[in-house]
Amino acid sequence: DVKVTQSSRYLVKRTGEKVFLECVQDMDHENMFWYRQDPGLGLRLIYFSYDVKMKEKGDIPEGYSVSREKKERFSLILESASTNQTSMYLCASNSGAYNEQFFGPGTRLTVL
Amino acid sequence: GENVEQHPSTLSVQEGDSAVIKCTYSDSASNYFPWYKQELGKRPQLIIDIRSNVGEKKDQRIAVTLNKTAKHFSLHITETQPEDSAVYFCAASMGGGYQKVTFGTGTKLQVIP
Repeated sequence: DVKVTQSSRYLVKRTGEKVFLECVQDMDHENMFWYRQDPGLGLRLIYFSYDVKMKEKGDIPEGYSVSREKKERFSLILESASTNQTSMYLCASNSGAYNEQFFGPGTRLTVL
Repeated sequence: GENVEQHPSTLSVQEGDSAVIKCTYSDSASNYFPWYKQELGKRPQLIIDIRSNVGEKKDQRIAVTLNKTAKHFSLHITETQPEDSAVYFCAASMGGGYQKVTFGTGTKLQVIP
């Protein structure tokens, strides 16, 4: 059974703080993704990675960076958190473009 | 880049009726169209997908149709049940070596018992 876990379910940070969100998958998937989910806007892709140390910008990369040092772990970094980054963040992974993306439980981030 | 539009944003149906959710995509190179269901407080999960070499696919009470010429695809749920209540997302991808999937904005389906 595929398992994708995220480091926190809820997180509250202050404006200007550096924030790390971590995602771990246990199925040896090549691809990993970070999305943010906002009401009425669906799932918007921030960054994705198709291999260790490889990354590609998604549709809304501004204000974010990522790191993938190991195949099973994909981190999302908010260098200087802002209130407009308050959102639900979902991580996902899959083994190929035509294969199901398996999502983590999500991290609800509030930036005050 | 790819743009996926999804309608309606909310849909209420009586239990036992059918529900239809429609999506359009912009990039004619897209050839893979998955649908995800997200129940309240849970993570999205794939319920059905279709590739562009197929016009229709069924799995029990759910079916997806694809019109490549018009660049639109639809999800059909028959004999709806209360457990079908959820947010449904359509998506489009060029597949192959291109890993990115573009999601629609979601449809909140409410099935009224």
